[in-house]
Amino acid sequence: AQSVTQLGSHVSVSEGALVLLRCNYSSSVPPYLFWYVQYPNQGLQLLLKYTTGATLVKGINGFEAEFKKSETSFHLTKPSAHMSDAAEYFCAVSESGGSNYKLTFGKGTLLTVNP
Amino acid sequence: EAGVTQSPTHLIKTRGQQATLRCSPISGHTSVYWYQQALGLGLQFLLWYDEGEERNRGNFPPRFSGRQFPNYSSELNVNALELEDSALYLCASSRVWETQYFGPGTRLLVL
Repeated sequence: AQSVTQLGSHVSVSEGALVLLRCNYSSSVPPYLFWYVQYPNQGLQLLLKYTTGATLVKGINGFEAEFKKSETSFHLTKPSAHMSDAAEYFCAVSESGGSNYKLTFGKGTLLTVNP
Repeated sequence: EAGVTQSPTHLIKTRGQQATLRCSPISGHTSVYWYQQALGLGLQFLLWYDEGEERNRGNFPPRFSGRQFPNYSSELNVNALELEDSALYLCASSRVWETQYFGPGTRLLVL
């Protein structure tokens, strides 16, 4: 069974400050890991994903995440927050193939960016 | 390239009625997934269809059902609606085993 824990349901940063959103996962098989962003009254937009290979993954809008197997973590970072980054962020895990291919999501982290 | 589309955007029903939600995948994608995003419950996997077959089902009662058509579009049906079915229903599509891309969702309100 898979699970995702996002530490902090709400993170507040100042514009220009570092953004760090934490995600820890549990998976019995090698995971695929994803970060999605949801703006108000919209669907989910893919920010970045890790499947295999390089553990530091770069995504859209200046975000990146690092897969750390030993820590079962996939934290999302951005060096400098922008007002437009304010949204809800979801970390998700899926198994790498098999009949159980579905996304299991964390509870989400609401990011607020203060001017 | 057009993204995943869903209709209607909003749907209001009363308890006991049936709701039908529709999803059109990205061209070339054969898999369609349905997720429920209910207040306080987060995003939960409902159903996965690929090549017209139901491949996986989440922990939802049988009154949640669906189908996938030959053109890969999909329908989600919710029978005997209950108040707690009020939620945002998200559809995603992918090539099989690949990244899922989401539509804008259908917001269902049950009165």
